[in-house]
Amino acid sequence: DIVMTQSPLSLPVTLGQPASISCRSSQSLVHSDGSNHLDWFHQRPGQSPRRLIYKVSNRESGVPDRFSGSGSGTDFTLKISRVEAEDVGIYYCMQGTHWKTFGQGTKLEIK
Amino acid sequence: EAQLVESGGGLVQPGGSLRLSCAASGFTFSTYWMSWVRQAPGKGLEWVANTKEDGSDKYYVDSVKGRFTISRDNAKNSLFLQMNSLRAEDTAIYYCARDSHGGIDSLGPGTQVIVSS
Repeated sequence: DIVMTQSPLSLPVTLGQPASISCRSSQSLVHSDGSNHLDWFHQRPGQSPRRLIYKVSNRESGVPDRFSGSGSGTDFTLKISRVEAEDVGIYYCMQGTHWKTFGQGTKLEIK
Repeated sequence: EAQLVESGGGLVQPGGSLRLSCAASGFTFSTYWMSWVRQAPGKGLEWVANTKEDGSDKYYVDSVKGRFTISRDNAKNSLFLQMNSLRAEDTAIYYCARDSHGGIDSLGPGTQVIVSS
């Protein structure tokens, strides 16, 4: 089974400053179709998760362009260029190449 | 826009059974793989199972194999999760989810399952 490891698990950030979350997989996420099936989700307290990014770097409709994703193989990164108050919550990566596995989650809070 | 609404959760004793349902709307249900995802209290997300568009293929996380069964009724735009031999560790919010672009693009609000005596 593929294990997804996120870091850091806690991320205090000052408003307007950048933030970065790392996600590493125990096996390559390159699918037979040539793409990496790696999603990023955001979950606010009391809400269901919302997908922000699919296949590493594709933003969902309505997701601000301050969110960006990168990576390939086993190493992936979610970056927020300038953190806003509405960005607080927990961020999860998820691989969909070999069934599906989520990372442990990274809790973003405002300093 | 995809709408997913779960139902059927509740309190059940260890060893008991529950059947969760998910009503889908806003998209052509029969053309998507569908999943169940769960979240234990204060914990992260865990994929539970998914099923192919026509229900012919089904996959499960190891911890529920032999106890849970995913199924669908495309005529009624509905997804189901039959949960048997429930354990305390199955206590969680269960989300119905639509598979897309190699991952999951929509989740419902969830239904709470509590396994306790």
